[in-house]
Amino acid sequence: GAVVSQHPSRVICKSGTSVKIECRSLDFQATTMFWYRQFPKQSLMLMATSNEGSKATYEQGVEKDKFLINHASLTLSTLTVTSAHPEDSSFYICSARAQGPTTEAFFGQGTRLTVV
Amino acid sequence: LAKTTQPISMDSYEGQEVNITCSHNNIATNDYITWYQQFPSQGPRFIIQGYKTKVTNEVASLFIPADRKSSTLSLPRVSLSDTAVYYCLVGDGAAGNKLTFGGGTRVLVKP
Repeated sequence: GAVVSQHPSRVICKSGTSVKIECRSLDFQATTMFWYRQFPKQSLMLMATSNEGSKATYEQGVEKDKFLINHASLTLSTLTVTSAHPEDSSFYICSARAQGPTTEAFFGQGTRLTVV
Repeated sequence: LAKTTQPISMDSYEGQEVNITCSHNNIATNDYITWYQQFPSQGPRFIIQGYKTKVTNEVASLFIPADRKSSTLSLPRVSLSDTAVYYCLVGDGAAGNKLTFGGGTRVLVKP
């Protein structure tokens, strides 16, 4: 089946620095990708919808200047956590769906971000 | 977006059948019902999807009554490795439409 690859799987950074997470659709083109954040023992929370060639659409309460999303091609979306703080420590997951009649969403492996 | 309600947790034993029911009273005509499985520190994984009646694949069955206001995921003969969180999602199938996760059901399979 289709695969979505996320990199890195784990990152530790110092407070105040920025971290970039990549999400790639390996065998299909994705005009839309989604970014989620998940805290321990909680469900996935949608952060934003990444649109190829245009600005991302952010969910209410998500700071667009804090979480920069770039969807430069049909197979790559990036999420940059800028000026990270310990409260940004979380599990970040991307998702994409191929075009066509299928409605199945494919998820990346997730990225564990720890800000120290 | 249709809201879903699932039990928070369920316990079972190896070899038993596990049935998880999800309520989605406001499901729209174009909405599909999809179930995902998530292990700790991993992204969710697709299990099964349906629109109405019954769907079966190699890992699960999905039962959807005629009114589509609920659905039941059935996992036959679970093993310890089926311990995970199971999410029921309801939404339009268009690729650009977002998927919103509810609370999920934490299934613990005991030996």
